[in-house]
Amino acid sequence: DAGITQSPRYKITETGRQVTLMCHQTWSHSYMFWYRQDLGHGLRLIYYSAAADITDKGEVPDGYVVSRSKTENFPLTLESATRSQTSVYFCASGSYEQYFGPGTRLTVT
Amino acid sequence: SQQGEEDPQALSIQEGENATMNCSYKTSINNLQWYRQNSGRGLVHLILIRSNEREKHSGRLRVTLDTSKKSSSLLITASRAADTASYFCATDEGDNDMRFGAGTRLTVKP
Repeated sequence: DAGITQSPRYKITETGRQVTLMCHQTWSHSYMFWYRQDLGHGLRLIYYSAAADITDKGEVPDGYVVSRSKTENFPLTLESATRSQTSVYFCASGSYEQYFGPGTRLTVT
Repeated sequence: SQQGEEDPQALSIQEGENATMNCSYKTSINNLQWYRQNSGRGLVHLILIRSNEREKHSGRLRVTLDTSKKSSSLLITASRAADTASYFCATDEGDNDMRFGAGTRLTVKP
Protein backbone atom coordinates (compact mmCIF):
# COMPACT_ATOMS: atom_id res chain seq x y z
CA ASP A 1 0.00 0.00 0.00
CA ALA A 2 1.24 3.45 -0.82
CA GLY A 3 1.90 5.73 2.07
CA ILE A 4 4.24 6.54 4.88
CA THR A 5 4.70 4.25 7.84
CA GLN A 6 6.54 4.52 11.11
CA SER A 7 7.72 1.88 13.51
CA PRO A 8 7.45 1.23 16.31
CA ARG A 9 4.26 3.12 17.14
CA TYR A 10 5.05 3.06 20.85
CA LYS A 11 8.37 2.69 22.59
CA ILE A 12 9.51 2.87 26.19
CA THR A 13 13.23 2.99 26.80
CA GLU A 14 15.64 3.88 29.56
CA THR A 15 17.91 6.86 29.83
CA GLY A 16 21.21 6.27 28.04
CA ARG A 17 19.94 3.61 25.64
CA GLN A 18 20.17 3.93 21.90
CA VAL A 19 16.84 3.97 20.09
CA THR A 20 16.10 3.96 16.37
CA LEU A 21 12.79 5.06 14.95
CA MET A 22 12.01 3.87 11.46
CA CYS A 23 10.25 5.67 8.65
CA HIS A 24 9.33 4.25 5.27
CA GLN A 25 7.55 5.91 2.34
CA THR A 26 6.37 4.41 -0.91
CA TRP A 27 5.88 7.56 -2.98
CA SER A 28 9.56 8.03 -3.90
CA HIS A 29 9.45 11.55 -2.53
CA SER A 30 12.85 13.19 -2.53
CA TYR A 31 12.31 15.07 0.68
CA MET A 32 11.78 13.43 4.06
CA PHE A 33 11.52 15.03 7.48
CA TRP A 34 11.58 14.19 11.17
CA TYR A 35 9.63 16.29 13.67
CA ARG A 36 8.94 16.05 17.35
CA GLN A 37 5.70 17.24 18.85
CA ASP A 38 5.52 18.45 22.42
CA LEU A 39 2.73 20.23 24.24
CA GLY A 40 3.09 23.96 23.89
CA HIS A 41 5.71 23.73 21.15
CA GLY A 42 3.80 22.45 18.17
CA LEU A 43 6.01 20.54 15.76
CA ARG A 44 9.71 21.17 15.63
CA LEU A 45 11.93 19.98 12.81
CA ILE A 46 14.77 17.71 13.89
CA TYR A 47 16.37 16.74 10.59
CA TYR A 48 15.42 16.62 6.96
CA SER A 49 16.78 15.00 3.84
CA ALA A 50 16.61 16.30 0.28
CA ALA A 51 17.63 12.97 -1.28
CA ALA A 52 19.48 9.78 -0.51
CA ASP A 53 22.77 10.55 1.26
CA ILE A 54 21.82 14.22 1.74
CA THR A 55 20.69 15.27 5.20
CA ASP A 56 20.50 18.57 7.02
CA LYS A 57 19.80 19.82 10.50
CA GLY A 58 16.54 21.39 11.48
CA GLU A 59 15.64 23.42 14.51
CA VAL A 60 16.39 20.83 17.25
CA PRO A 61 19.01 18.31 16.00
CA ASP A 62 21.07 17.82 19.16
CA GLY A 63 21.05 14.24 20.43
CA TYR A 64 19.74 12.81 17.16
CA VAL A 65 21.39 11.16 14.18
CA VAL A 66 19.85 10.38 10.80
CA SER A 67 20.88 8.51 7.71
CA ARG A 68 19.33 8.00 4.31
CA SER A 69 20.96 5.31 2.25
CA LYS A 70 17.75 4.60 0.31
CA THR A 71 15.15 7.08 -0.92
CA GLU A 72 12.31 5.28 0.83
CA ASN A 73 13.82 5.00 4.32
CA PHE A 74 14.81 7.69 6.80
CA PRO A 75 15.67 6.29 10.24
CA LEU A 76 16.13 8.54 13.24
CA THR A 77 18.49 7.42 16.01
CA LEU A 78 18.70 8.73 19.53
CA GLU A 79 22.26 7.81 20.41
CA SER A 80 21.85 8.09 24.18
CA ALA A 81 18.24 8.77 25.08
CA THR A 82 17.41 11.42 27.66
CA ARG A 83 14.13 12.15 29.44
CA SER A 84 13.83 15.42 27.51
CA GLN A 85 13.51 13.33 24.35
CA THR A 86 10.21 11.90 25.55
CA SER A 87 7.89 13.06 22.80
CA VAL A 88 5.80 12.06 19.83
CA TYR A 89 7.91 11.77 16.71
CA PHE A 90 6.50 12.28 13.23
CA CYS A 91 8.10 11.43 9.96
CA ALA A 92 6.92 13.20 6.81
CA SER A 93 7.71 13.15 3.12
CA GLY A 94 6.98 15.45 0.23
CA SER A 95 8.08 18.93 -0.67
CA TYR A 96 5.51 21.71 -0.78
CA GLU A 97 2.88 19.45 0.75
CA GLN A 98 4.11 17.14 3.42
CA TYR A 99 2.53 13.77 4.13
CA PHE A 100 2.85 12.65 7.70
CA GLY A 101 3.18 9.23 9.20
CA PRO A 102 1.07 8.14 12.18
CA GLY A 103 3.76 8.99 14.71
CA THR A 104 5.85 7.16 17.29
CA ARG A 105 5.19 7.85 20.95
CA LEU A 106 8.52 7.55 22.74
CA THR A 107 8.87 7.55 26.50
CA VAL A 108 12.31 7.73 28.08
CA THR A 109 12.33 6.68 31.73
CA SER B 1 11.82 28.75 17.36
CA GLN B 2 8.24 28.75 16.14
CA GLN B 3 7.53 30.92 13.14
CA GLY B 4 3.75 30.73 13.05
CA GLU B 5 1.59 31.41 16.06
CA GLU B 6 -2.06 30.48 15.96
CA ASP B 7 -4.83 32.35 17.66
CA PRO B 8 -6.94 31.40 19.50
CA GLN B 9 -5.35 28.44 21.25
CA ALA B 10 -8.75 26.82 21.62
CA LEU B 11 -12.11 27.40 19.98
CA SER B 12 -15.46 25.80 20.74
CA ILE B 13 -18.46 26.28 18.44
CA GLN B 14 -21.78 24.66 17.54
CA GLU B 15 -22.23 22.56 14.45
CA GLY B 16 -23.19 24.73 11.50
CA GLU B 17 -21.28 27.78 12.71
CA ASN B 18 -18.18 29.13 11.04
CA ALA B 19 -14.76 28.77 12.65
CA THR B 20 -11.96 31.25 12.11
CA MET B 21 -8.37 30.67 13.13
CA ASN B 22 -5.53 33.10 12.72
CA CYS B 23 -1.82 32.67 12.22
CA SER B 24 0.88 35.30 12.57
CA TYR B 25 4.49 34.87 11.56
CA LYS B 26 7.69 36.83 11.78
CA THR B 27 9.80 36.62 8.63
CA SER B 28 9.27 36.59 4.87
CA ILE B 29 7.87 33.37 3.52
CA ASN B 30 7.54 31.51 0.23
CA ASN B 31 4.27 29.92 1.22
CA LEU B 32 2.06 29.20 4.18
CA GLN B 33 0.23 25.95 4.75
CA TRP B 34 -2.53 24.77 7.03
CA TYR B 35 -2.68 21.27 8.44
CA ARG B 36 -5.23 19.38 10.53
CA GLN B 37 -4.43 16.84 13.20
CA ASN B 38 -7.01 14.55 14.69
CA SER B 39 -6.28 13.29 18.17
CA GLY B 40 -3.53 10.67 18.17
CA ARG B 41 -2.93 10.91 14.43
CA GLY B 42 -0.46 12.47 12.04
CA LEU B 43 -1.00 15.83 10.38
CA VAL B 44 -3.00 16.09 7.19
CA HIS B 45 -2.30 18.81 4.66
CA LEU B 46 -5.30 21.08 4.02
CA ILE B 47 -4.23 23.94 1.84
CA LEU B 48 -1.18 25.87 0.65
CA ILE B 49 -1.16 29.55 -0.18
CA ARG B 50 1.81 31.13 -1.89
CA SER B 51 3.23 34.47 -0.88
CA ASN B 52 1.87 36.14 -4.04
CA GLU B 53 -1.67 34.89 -3.39
CA ARG B 54 -4.19 36.66 -1.17
CA GLU B 55 -7.01 34.16 -0.92
CA LYS B 56 -7.58 30.51 -1.66
CA HIS B 57 -10.58 28.21 -1.38
CA SER B 58 -10.91 24.47 -1.00
CA GLY B 59 -14.38 23.12 -0.33
CA ARG B 60 -15.52 24.62 2.98
CA LEU B 61 -12.08 26.07 3.65
CA ARG B 62 -11.07 29.62 2.89
CA VAL B 63 -7.55 30.84 3.56
CA THR B 64 -6.36 34.42 3.35
CA LEU B 65 -2.82 35.73 3.46
CA ASP B 66 -1.73 39.26 4.24
CA THR B 67 2.02 39.46 3.77
CA SER B 68 2.12 43.11 4.85
CA LYS B 69 0.74 42.11 8.24
CA LYS B 70 2.47 38.73 8.20
CA SER B 71 -0.76 36.98 9.00
CA SER B 72 -3.10 34.35 7.63
CA SER B 73 -6.54 33.14 8.53
CA LEU B 74 -8.33 29.85 8.03
CA LEU B 75 -12.10 29.92 7.83
CA ILE B 76 -14.10 26.71 8.03
CA THR B 77 -17.69 27.32 7.00
CA ALA B 78 -20.71 25.33 8.13
CA SER B 79 -18.64 23.35 10.59
CA ARG B 80 -19.34 19.71 11.38
CA ALA B 81 -18.53 17.57 14.39
CA ALA B 82 -15.96 15.79 12.21
CA ASP B 83 -14.03 19.07 11.93
CA THR B 84 -13.06 18.70 15.59
CA ALA B 85 -9.26 18.62 15.50
CA SER B 86 -6.18 20.74 16.01
CA TYR B 87 -5.24 23.07 13.19
CA PHE B 88 -1.68 24.20 12.52
CA CYS B 89 -0.20 26.79 10.25
CA ALA B 90 3.24 26.16 8.84
CA THR B 91 5.50 28.65 7.13
CA ASP B 92 8.04 27.81 4.47
CA GLU B 93 10.84 30.32 4.06
CA GLY B 94 12.10 28.50 0.98
CA ASP B 95 14.70 26.25 2.55
CA ASN B 96 12.36 23.34 3.35
CA ASP B 97 12.70 24.21 7.02
CA MET B 98 8.99 24.42 7.75
CA ARG B 99 8.04 26.07 11.00
CA PHE B 100 4.81 25.04 12.67
CA GLY B 101 2.81 26.94 15.23
CA ALA B 102 1.46 25.42 18.43
CA GLY B 103 -1.97 24.99 16.89
CA THR B 104 -5.60 25.89 17.51
CA ARG B 105 -7.73 23.20 19.11
CA LEU B 106 -11.19 23.32 17.52
CA THR B 107 -14.17 21.61 19.11
CA VAL B 108 -17.41 21.46 17.15
CA LYS B 109 -20.36 20.46 19.30
CA PRO B 110 -23.17 18.51 17.63
